[in-house]
Amino acid sequence: DAGVIQSPRHEVTEMGQEVTLRCKPISGHDYLFWYRQTMMRGLELLIYFNNNVPIDDSGMPEDRFSAKMPNASFSTLKIQPSEPRDSAVYFCASSLSDTQYFGPGTRLTVL
Amino acid sequence: GNSVTQMEGPVTLSEEAFLTINCTYTATGYPSLFWYVQYPGEGLQLLLKATKADDKGSNKGFEATYRKETTSFHLEKGSVQVSDSAVYFCALRGSSASKIIFGSGTRLSIRP
Repeated sequence: DAGVIQSPRHEVTEMGQEVTLRCKPISGHDYLFWYRQTMMRGLELLIYFNNNVPIDDSGMPEDRFSAKMPNASFSTLKIQPSEPRDSAVYFCASSLSDTQYFGPGTRLTVL
Repeated sequence: GNSVTQMEGPVTLSEEAFLTINCTYTATGYPSLFWYVQYPGEGLQLLLKATKADDKGSNKGFEATYRKETTSFHLEKGSVQVSDSAVYFCALRGSSASKIIFGSGTRLSIRP
C-alpha cells in the first residue's frame, strides 16, 4: 500500500484566502484523523471520523475550519478565510486498530 | 482525563551512549501505550507499543516496558546512532477510546 497520501505537500497563501488540504487514507482503514503541529502548541487533534462520520470535532479551533469525508477514500480540511496564525504542518492519519498511520503532512504558510 | 507527560528536550547524546526518555501517564482502566518517532520532514510513525501491564515493546533496538505500578513507559536504547536523531512521542489510547493522546515530544540529537 502507498500509505496515507496528502496533498499538497506545501501551500503558501495570503491571508483571507481559502485553503483546502486533501487526504487519502490507507485502503480498508475505518478511522481518519486530522492533526495540526506547531512549535508553540505541539501536536493537536482537530477532528476524527469513523466510517466517514465525524465523531469528535472538539479540537477544531473555530468556525473557519471545516472537514469532510465524502467517502472512505477521501477527506478534506478547509480553512476559510485563512489567517497567519493558521500556519502549521497539518497531518492526516488513518487506522484500523490501535495504531495510527500518518501521512507526510502539508506545510501551510499564510502570509 | 487521560494524559501523558514526557521529559522535556532537547536531549543531546554522543553516538553509542545509553538513552532513556521518561514517560508517565494518567488513565483509567487499561490503556494501550505507544512510542511514535518523527524524523525531520516526515509524519509520525509507530516505533513500538504495549497493550497490557508488564508487556515489553521493542523495535530497532529500542525498548519500553508497560509499568502499571509506576504508570510509566520509559523508552530505552543501549547504544544510540546518529540516525536515531528525531522527535519521540509517548502516547496512550484509552481502553474505550478511539483517539490517541500524545505527549509533547522529546527532541533527540546524537553527535557523531
